[in-house]
Amino acid sequence: AQTVTQSQPEMSVQEAETVTLSCTYDTSESDYYLFWYKQPPSRQMILVIRQEAYKQQNATENRFSVNFQKAAKSFSLKISDSQLGDAAMYFCAYRSAVSGLSFGAGTTVTVRA
Amino acid sequence: DTGVSQDPRHKITKRGQNVTFRCDPISEHNRLYWYRQTLGQGPEFLTYFQNEAQLEKSRLLSDRFSAERPKGSFSTLEIQRTEQGDSAMYLCASSLRGGQMGTQYFGPGTRLLVL
Repeated sequence: AQTVTQSQPEMSVQEAETVTLSCTYDTSESDYYLFWYKQPPSRQMILVIRQEAYKQQNATENRFSVNFQKAAKSFSLKISDSQLGDAAMYFCAYRSAVSGLSFGAGTTVTVRA
Repeated sequence: DTGVSQDPRHKITKRGQNVTFRCDPISEHNRLYWYRQTLGQGPEFLTYFQNEAQLEKSRLLSDRFSAERPKGSFSTLEIQRTEQGDSAMYLCASSLRGGQMGTQYFGPGTRLLVL
C-alpha cells in the first residue's frame, strides 16, 4: 500500500506572503498521479493542483505551484501571495493507474491578516 | 454540471441501526468512489465502481458495509448494525475514465453520528 506523509500538521502565513507545504510518498510504481486538495472548514474537498509522474515539468495553477522531485518522492505545494480565502486544510494525495486515492494526514493553513 | 451530490448531509442514529447514504456523481463520470474521513484526518479509501461493477474494496470495508451502483449512475452505501466507531464523514467522489488524469471530484459528504 502506498503511504503519503505530510510532516507539518499546521502552517501559518502572513497575508500576501508565500508558504510551502511538504509531502512525501512511498511507492514502487513508475506511473502514478499526485494531487493537492483543499478542504475549507465544514466545506467540501476541492482540487488545487495535479501532476503526472512522467512529466518533468512542475505543474502551476495561478498562485499555486508544486515542486515535484520524483527520485526523492517529494511533492511540495507552494502558495504565493497568500489570501485569507486560502485558509483551509490541505491534503496531498497519490493515485496509481487504477485505484482510489491515498491521502496524507493534512496540513492546516492559517492566514494572518 | 451540477457536481457530486450526497444525501443526507447529516445523519444521527443509534448504535445497532442500519443507515443508507446516496451519492449522485457528475453525470458523464463513469467511476465512483467512497471514502471515510474522521475528524482531523485525511480521507480513507473504501471502495470504487466503474459503471456498475465494484472493482476494488479496501480492507476497511467490513462485512457490515455494502455499496451498490445498480445502473452505473447513483450509488448507495449501507452500514448495518452501526457502531460508535462508524461515526465519521462519508465522502463520495467521481471521475471520468481516461480524462483529466482521472481527477476525482468530491461531494459535500454525509456526516454520520452514532450514539
